[in-house]
Amino acid sequence: DQQVKQNSPSLSVQEGRISILNCDYTNSMFDYFLWYKKYPAEGPTFLISISSIKDKNEDGRFTVFLNKSAKHLSLHIVPSQPGDSAVYFCAANSNSGYALNFGKGTSLLVTP
Amino acid sequence: SAVISQKPSRDICQRGTSLTIQCQVDSQVTMMFWYRQQPGQSLTLIATANQGSEATYESGFVIDKFPISRPNLTFSTLTVSNMSPEDSSIYLCSVVDRGNGYTFGSGTRLTVV
Repeated sequence: DQQVKQNSPSLSVQEGRISILNCDYTNSMFDYFLWYKKYPAEGPTFLISISSIKDKNEDGRFTVFLNKSAKHLSLHIVPSQPGDSAVYFCAANSNSGYALNFGKGTSLLVTP
Repeated sequence: SAVISQKPSRDICQRGTSLTIQCQVDSQVTMMFWYRQQPGQSLTLIATANQGSEATYESGFVIDKFPISRPNLTFSTLTVSNMSPEDSSIYLCSVVDRGNGYTFGSGTRLTVV
């Protein structure tokens, strides 16, 4: 059963505009959330994370928002750049273990 | 952050054979993780490898199919045994990296024919 869901398999955004990638989860025990970026033929690269005690975390152009009541998080990229084109994975973890639960990913294409 | 060298990067194997994937970390780590990403699917944890003890397997994965070695704090191997086309996936190793989430190797793209 998929506990982390990314319902948009792909997203296309113009350069300079905002990219919003969404993620939903079902397990209320998850308390740590991460976003990874993956280029073809490479492993996932850690991008940004957020703990359940926060509702927002910002790092440069990347901001992650967490809505615990809705079990929803989103990654905002502003402004989007062509180099941001990649597959983005949402992942979640609970303090009962180290396993990361991943979504299926959203392929982002940023067009010039 | 930790740097992981994973090899081979890709391989094409005959069904019924086995492939061993290696991961080398540039620092000592207590736990290493092995993930699988089947085509069009999310990354799924196969097992957690601790140095000096048996690996802990997730539901649906067994030691006979995916034996793991962890001889020291910087190295681990995953073997995919008696392969079938359904084992065609990307296999990734990972470590917990303080302040940087989990760091992943570059992955091994396995095709079983």
